[in-house]
Amino acid sequence: DQQVKQNSPSLSVQEGRISILNCDYTNSMFDYFLWYKKYPAEGPTFLISISSIKDKNEDGRFTVFLNKSAKHLSLHIVPSQPGDSAVYFCAARHTGTASKLTFGTGTRLQVTL
Amino acid sequence: KAGVTQTPRYLIKTRGQQVTLSCSPISGHRSVSWYQQTPGQGLQFLFEYFSETQRNKGNFPGRFSGRQFSNSRSEMNVSTLELGDSALYLCASSLSGGAAGELFFGEGSRLTVL
Repeated sequence: DQQVKQNSPSLSVQEGRISILNCDYTNSMFDYFLWYKKYPAEGPTFLISISSIKDKNEDGRFTVFLNKSAKHLSLHIVPSQPGDSAVYFCAARHTGTASKLTFGTGTRLQVTL
Repeated sequence: KAGVTQTPRYLIKTRGQQVTLSCSPISGHRSVSWYQQTPGQGLQFLFEYFSETQRNKGNFPGRFSGRQFSNSRSEMNVSTLELGDSALYLCASSLSGGAAGELFFGEGSRLTVL
């Protein structure tokens, strides 16, 4: 039962363009959504998060949008840079469960020159 | 500030053996959680420890266990290893679980079961 889904296993974007990574979820009890970035041979690193009571959160080049009615969130990276090439994981936190996150299977982003 | 340290980084075991993985959290972090990453499955939550007590548990069989020491260091143990246990095991720490669920991950311990 995949409660958090990332349906695109890979995405290729040109440097300077916008990267849009998508994530769908099924559980209405999630209260926080997070994005993590993972380089090979490293652990995931936290990128940005959004509370379920908000619909947008911005941090520099990264913006996360949340559409609760559609149970959908997206991560926008503008402009994309070659250093952004990594696997991006969407994750959701169950209400009141602290560090228990449910992760998607990841989207591999490649930013080309 | 030192990050989350996991040992060993790589190990190979055979079916039926047991394994113990270690995690040292960031200094001052009291919450340690463990995740299993396998191809096509993303990261799956194993358990979380806070102040030496298991606070949450995922849907893994009893062969998977863990503990946390008074200095917040944590170990996880997998007994009677199966081929399907081959995975990257990631440890993550946070101050208290984090209001935003922000976790700091280690580089992982890659277990291969033959």
